[in-house]
Amino acid sequence: LAKTTQPISMDSYEGQEVNITCSHNNIATNDYITWYQQFPSQGPRFIIQGYKTKVTNEVASLFIPADRKSSTLSLPRVSLSDTAVYYCLVGDPYNTDKLIFGTGTRLQVFP
Amino acid sequence: DVKVTQSSRYLVKRTGEKVFLECVQDMDHENMFWYRQDPGLGLRLIYFSYDVKMKEKGDIPEGYSVSREKKERFSLILESASTNQTSMYLCASSPGPRGQLAGSSYNEQFFGPGTRLTVL
Repeated sequence: LAKTTQPISMDSYEGQEVNITCSHNNIATNDYITWYQQFPSQGPRFIIQGYKTKVTNEVASLFIPADRKSSTLSLPRVSLSDTAVYYCLVGDPYNTDKLIFGTGTRLQVFP
Repeated sequence: DVKVTQSSRYLVKRTGEKVFLECVQDMDHENMFWYRQDPGLGLRLIYFSYDVKMKEKGDIPEGYSVSREKKERFSLILESASTNQTSMYLCASSPGPRGQLAGSSYNEQFFGPGTRLTVL
């Protein structure tokens, strides 16, 4: 499973767009990039997954460049309720049941 | 909606006690997992199970055992609790390849709310 590197923490203000970048230089051909979100006192929850280019859902967008060595989670117009820890994970979802969580990025949104 | 429930939100035990943490999922998922989460260390996998009565060690199995007698229930057992096992324990489940829904990946994990265990 490829190792990932992401910032320890980020601050933002309500209404701003937040971009969290994850570095995964050793990503393998069959690996996907997945992001989870964890609110205080809760378990993590899946928010988005992608393989290449761009993926968008109702929560976030995921941008993956052609070389796939990094990815960016984009949260549009954050609110206080987006304060959470965001985890970037890389792995082959069709050949492994396990996930490797790093320490994540702690996003604090201020009013 | 997938629901993963854990038997307690908070638990306080004494050193040397046997501790049972229970997890139940209601989505007929094949896979179940136990993690512990500590400040600065993220989530670390203790054990997982991909079928009834089957288990595999994760990254930090020492001091723990597990039991999966029924598909929906996965128990984490601390045979003799120690203070270094004070932590947040998180249970998760995932569909697995046979339970995969169309359009989803079978390793998406659904987490319970966690049990904060304090060992005195």
